[in-house]
Amino acid sequence: DQQVKQNSPSLSVQEGRISILNCDYTNSMFDYFLWYKKYPAEGPTFLISISSIKDKNEDGRFTVFLNKSAKHLSLHIVPSQPGDSAVYFCAARNQGGKLIFGQGTELSVKP
Amino acid sequence: SAVISQKPSRDICQRGTSLTIQCQVDSQVTMMFWYRQQPGQSLTLIATANQGSEATYESGFVIDKFPISRPNLTFSTLTVSNMSPEDSSIYLCSVEGEGFSSYEQYFGPGTRLTVT
Repeated sequence: DQQVKQNSPSLSVQEGRISILNCDYTNSMFDYFLWYKKYPAEGPTFLISISSIKDKNEDGRFTVFLNKSAKHLSLHIVPSQPGDSAVYFCAARNQGGKLIFGQGTELSVKP
Repeated sequence: SAVISQKPSRDICQRGTSLTIQCQVDSQVTMMFWYRQQPGQSLTLIATANQGSEATYESGFVIDKFPISRPNLTFSTLTVSNMSPEDSSIYLCSVEGEGFSSYEQYFGPGTRLTVT
């Protein structure tokens, strides 16, 4: 039972354009959502998060949107840079405080 | 910002042997966790390392296979016992609380384990 899904295994974007990474979840009781970025041979790096009581959180080039009725969140990166090329994981926090991760989306930003 | 380190960073082990992975944080933390990322897969929580008491394991993971210690608020170990090739994964520790923001977990660099 995959409670957190990232349906796009990969995404390719031109430098300077917007990257939109999507994530869907099934459990309406999740109270916090996070995005992580992972380079090969490194641990995941925390990027940005959003509480379930909000619908948007912005930090520099990164914005996360939450649509609770659709059980959907997205990460927008604008403008995209080649250094953003990595695997992006969304995660949801359940009532026990544990994180449930999606499968990841590999973003490639081309110069 | 606080630093999370793991030792070893990688290892190649023979089946049937055991490997202990260390996680060290340079500040006290409330929560420490251990995850596994199998090749091409997402991150899966193995257990929560509880300071001064037995770890709390997720479904599918048992103490005999993955014994965990957490003697203080800055250090934990995970042992992968009686290894088989199916245990080849990246093992990650993460922390939450105290010197870190609540609700946000921060990860160590990972230990890449290959079992032959």
